[in-house]
Amino acid sequence: NAGVTQTPKFQVLKTGQSMTLQCAQDMNHEYMSWYRQDPGMGLRLIHYSVGAGITDQGEVPNGYNVSRSTTEDFPLRLLSAAPSQTSVYFCASSSPGQGNEKLFFGSGTQLSVL
Amino acid sequence: AQKITQTQPGMFVQEKEAVTLDCTYDTSDPSYGLFWYKQPSSGEMIFLIYQGSYDQQNATEGRYSLNFQKARKSANLVISASQLGDSAMYFCAMRESRNQFYFGTGTSLTVIP
Repeated sequence: NAGVTQTPKFQVLKTGQSMTLQCAQDMNHEYMSWYRQDPGMGLRLIHYSVGAGITDQGEVPNGYNVSRSTTEDFPLRLLSAAPSQTSVYFCASSSPGQGNEKLFFGSGTQLSVL
Repeated sequence: AQKITQTQPGMFVQEKEAVTLDCTYDTSDPSYGLFWYKQPSSGEMIFLIYQGSYDQQNATEGRYSLNFQKARKSANLVISASQLGDSAMYFCAMRESRNQFYFGTGTSLTVIP
């Protein structure tokens, strides 16, 4: 059982370049989300989705786009990378319901924007 | 206002001793969940323990227990019998009924041999 798979693990971009961070889960989770982790800031929610075709903004959505065409996939797009987007990115999923709906995390993507 | 507050940027504990990591939260939602995650230097996020807002008893998972004080809006993590492998960043998190998760800024725990 692969869980949450994130690719790539590392990426270096130049300012203005675009890229997509991939996220896939094989647990049939309805809820998927993207976070960025910066030193001293904890994890901050970028975008989330509660099901295919449904997305919403989190705490820090500017500069990022998402889509959810299938239950399994939730890619994060940077349309024009900026140095302020240098961070570690985590994708996470969970299954909403009653009880312990813990987040399952991917292994993270270290992104540097020069 | 911060949804999750962790006031201890760094903590030290002697091996085999117990340690408490503080977490306070802010929500007006009657239904919420509280979580603790561990992030070792390798970077992965490891789930440790969960407490639901309606749970009457404090959650326990092996050496981890969550000291849940609802009226004070605190959810402190207690690690008993600390081990060297417990050295890591620890994040407190809250899920509200809208299914948004909020994380604290973390506490760096160092276990001293």
